[in-house]
Amino acid sequence: DAGVTQSPTHLIKTRGQQVTLRCSPKSGHDTVSWYQQALGQGPQFIFQYYEEEERQRGNFPDRFSGHQFPNYSSELNVNALLLGDSALYLCASSFSLGPKETQYFGPGTRLLVL
Amino acid sequence: AQKITQTQPGMFVQEKEAVTLDCTYDTSDQSYGLFWYKQPSSGEMIFLIYQGSYDEQNATEGRYSLNFQKARKSANLVISASQLGDSAMYFCAMREGTGNQFYFGTGTSLTVIP
Repeated sequence: DAGVTQSPTHLIKTRGQQVTLRCSPKSGHDTVSWYQQALGQGPQFIFQYYEEEERQRGNFPDRFSGHQFPNYSSELNVNALLLGDSALYLCASSFSLGPKETQYFGPGTRLLVL
Repeated sequence: AQKITQTQPGMFVQEKEAVTLDCTYDTSDQSYGLFWYKQPSSGEMIFLIYQGSYDEQNATEGRYSLNFQKARKSANLVISASQLGDSAMYFCAMREGTGNQFYFGTGTSLTVIP
């Protein structure tokens, strides 16, 4: 049973560029959430996708956008990269609703913006 | 106000001893879930234990137990018989019944000393 997978593992970009990160959820999961984790901080919620739509969004600018595909995999796109976007980006998957639903995380993508 | 507060930036514990990692939370929801995750230096967030707000018994998972004190709004993680492999960052998180995102604390770095 494959867990959550993310690609790429590492990425280096320059300011102003655009980046796309990818995530495949754990088998049987239909909900994907994205988090940004800056160095020394806890993960911060970016947004969550369910049934190919953005269900909830955290306090992130519109430069951050996403997509969910019919097979439940997801992409995170960041436009006009800033130095402050350098972070570990974590994808988490879960099954639908309910406060008991645990999110399972992937290994993350480390993004460095120069 | 912070939803999750972890006041211990770093903790040390002797191998085979028990250690308690503190977590307090803030919510006005009656229904919520509390989670603990372990993050080794590799970056992946590993789910450890879950406690629901309506659960009367403290959650236990192997060497992990959660000391849930609802009136104090605390959800401390207890690790018994510490092992060298327990050295990692530990994050407390909460999901409110009305929302979909997880709120994370700033984490506690645990070092197990041989």
